[in-house]
Amino acid sequence: EPEVTQTPSHQVTQMGQEVILRCVPISNHLYFYWYRQILGQKVEFLVSFYNNEISEKSEIFDDQFSVERPDGSNFTLKIRSTKLEDSAMYFCASSRRQGGEQYFGPGTRLTVT
Amino acid sequence: AQKVTQAQTEISVVEKEDVTLDCVYETRDTTYYLFWYKQPPSGELVFLIRRNSFDEQNEISGRYSWNFQKSTSSFNFTITASQVVDSAVYFCALSEAPGAGSYQLTFGKGTKLSVIP
Repeated sequence: EPEVTQTPSHQVTQMGQEVILRCVPISNHLYFYWYRQILGQKVEFLVSFYNNEISEKSEIFDDQFSVERPDGSNFTLKIRSTKLEDSAMYFCASSRRQGGEQYFGPGTRLTVT
Repeated sequence: AQKVTQAQTEISVVEKEDVTLDCVYETRDTTYYLFWYKQPPSGELVFLIRRNSFDEQNEISGRYSWNFQKSTSSFNFTITASQVVDSAVYFCALSEAPGAGSYQLTFGKGTKLSVIP
């Protein structure tokens, strides 16, 4: 069964460093999302992406964040200069249709020290 | 604005008991989608069900059932004859329809279910 994959599973970085989180969505899906979950809290929307552009972003997704679909399979989230409060689990999700079920990857745990 | 409320923070039940997880939502749209996801201790988010706002039929899948009531803006989830493997955090989520955004999910805070053997 197709699934969303994410790498790395765990990333430790120092404050101020850039990180890139990678995702491979399900191959016939068209809508892509990033969410994050701070430990013990609810899952929060960051950004959605369709047709090679951002369709919506939350207040969390400030100028330090960017997303890219560099080729036909990968979908990346870049944090330009990490802060301590960026420590969280980051989930990628994809969906085949608008409003359809979103399938999540296993997540990348980002720890900023 | 969308809002999803899961008033039960934690629930403990003994194995084989039935348990209902509550979800109440708020939206100004007449067309929207509701979801339940399971997050086991391993951390991944597992899709369980999607309903659209025009389909109020209850759904049953094995030991799982869902009760959608627009009149009370609720989408409750019942596990029958609970098992230890059901222990997880369960999230209810809401997504609005075309023209209102990108269908991003707004999650509730989750209900942690512990099934005791």
